[in-house]
Amino acid sequence: EAGVTQFPSHSVIEKGQTVTLRCDPISGHDNLYWYRRVMGKEIKFLLHFVKESKQDESGMPNNRFLAERTGGTYSTLKVQPAELEDSGVYFCASSQEIQPYNSPLHFGNGTRLTVT
Amino acid sequence: QQQVKQSPQSLIVQKGGISIINCAYENTAFDYFPWYQQFPGKGPALLIAIRPDVSEKKEGRFTISFNKSAKQFSLHIMDSQPGDSATYFCAASKTFSGGYNKLIFGAGTRLAVHP
Repeated sequence: EAGVTQFPSHSVIEKGQTVTLRCDPISGHDNLYWYRRVMGKEIKFLLHFVKESKQDESGMPNNRFLAERTGGTYSTLKVQPAELEDSGVYFCASSQEIQPYNSPLHFGNGTRLTVT
Repeated sequence: QQQVKQSPQSLIVQKGGISIINCAYENTAFDYFPWYQQFPGKGPALLIAIRPDVSEKKEGRFTISFNKSAKQFSLHIMDSQPGDSATYFCAASKTFSGGYNKLIFGAGTRLAVHP
């Protein structure tokens, strides 16, 4: 079974530019999450998709961030325009069910975003 | 507001020793407490998890101790090995009405096990 795949693994962009991160969840996983870890701090929740619908986007920092999940398969997270404080590692995770005890989250290896 | 506080930030243990990482939480509605292990360049991977209705869960060399009244839980790694060197994250979640939940993570502990 293929794991959660994220692309790119690294991205370095200048302030004001646009970046799009992609996540391919495990096949059959309806639940897709985006998280972010800023240098040395906790991993913070950004949002949760159930299939193609946004179930919870309470963690999205501001309207410069736009997440989509086309057809309930892969997801993209666009940052436009990027700011210095957006630097960090962006993780995608997926699960088959919502209840984590029965269906743990599987994380991708993350995209390390550096905004200069 | 940091809802899950993790300590220590870093930990050095000799091979064969016991590694102990502690977490404290604030929200009594949390009903799931996992620990994740992350190696460099990889994503976090679930190591072990516990629900608040039990005080301890053991899987191999890894044990979670849970103290509901103190709102604390800890990870114990027995007979620590160099291969255990990684960053460990505690987390907590609660089930919201509507059946969804999200993990609240601690800041992580970087463990180094020296041979």
